[in-house]
Amino acid sequence: EVQLLESGGGLVQPGGSLRLSCAASGFTFSNYAMIWVRQAPGKGLEWVSAIAASYGTTYYADSVRGRFTISKDFSKDTLFLQMNSLRAEDTALYYCAKIYSSGTFDDWGQGTLVTVSS
Amino acid sequence: QSALAQPRSVSGSPGQSVTISCTGTSSDVGGYNYVSWYQQHPGKAPKLMIYDVTKRPSGVPDRFSGSKSGNTASLTISGLQAADEADYYCCSYGGTYNVFGTGTEVTVL
Repeated sequence: EVQLLESGGGLVQPGGSLRLSCAASGFTFSNYAMIWVRQAPGKGLEWVSAIAASYGTTYYADSVRGRFTISKDFSKDTLFLQMNSLRAEDTALYYCAKIYSSGTFDDWGQGTLVTVSS
Repeated sequence: QSALAQPRSVSGSPGQSVTISCTGTSSDVGGYNYVSWYQQHPGKAPKLMIYDVTKRPSGVPDRFSGSKSGNTASLTISGLQAADEADYYCCSYGGTYNVFGTGTEVTVL
């Protein structure tokens, strides 16, 4: 059974940093691309970032490019999202998900909440 | 990377059919056959319902179907049931990005 467990969320001040983790199990982590998707309170889903299966190619939404960095640790089967220069509009529930194929995310975690506020 | 346009809400009685549209551009919806649909119940993670425009993952009822014409994709729910009441989001691959729709609330009357 595929399991994705996010952690690392919390309350941070504007301009601060936070690193989210997504521990993966139940599948061969190195064979799959992964993504981060966020959902602001009461709002819709927003694609944030993606990383290729094994070569490390990364992609970012315009809203986070230059501030967020996605990465994978194959020794720990863990996906990361390093978030710097955080803004109030980054407040959201952050989900990690496994990419089955282009544009298809077949397994999701339960999310970790990030709140950016002074 | 503008969000795909979906109707804010649709509704139907049990047993009826509802269709949700998802309009993008030639750079995303119209340019690739990589449109997916997700169901999200309150407080829950999204669930994949349709992928590659028309395909259903194992376990998703055949009451759910997808289609596409030009820059607009659609999700049809036939034989509407109370359990189908949820938010639905489309998503399209755009080459170097993915973009979600604005979301549609489905209400079963």
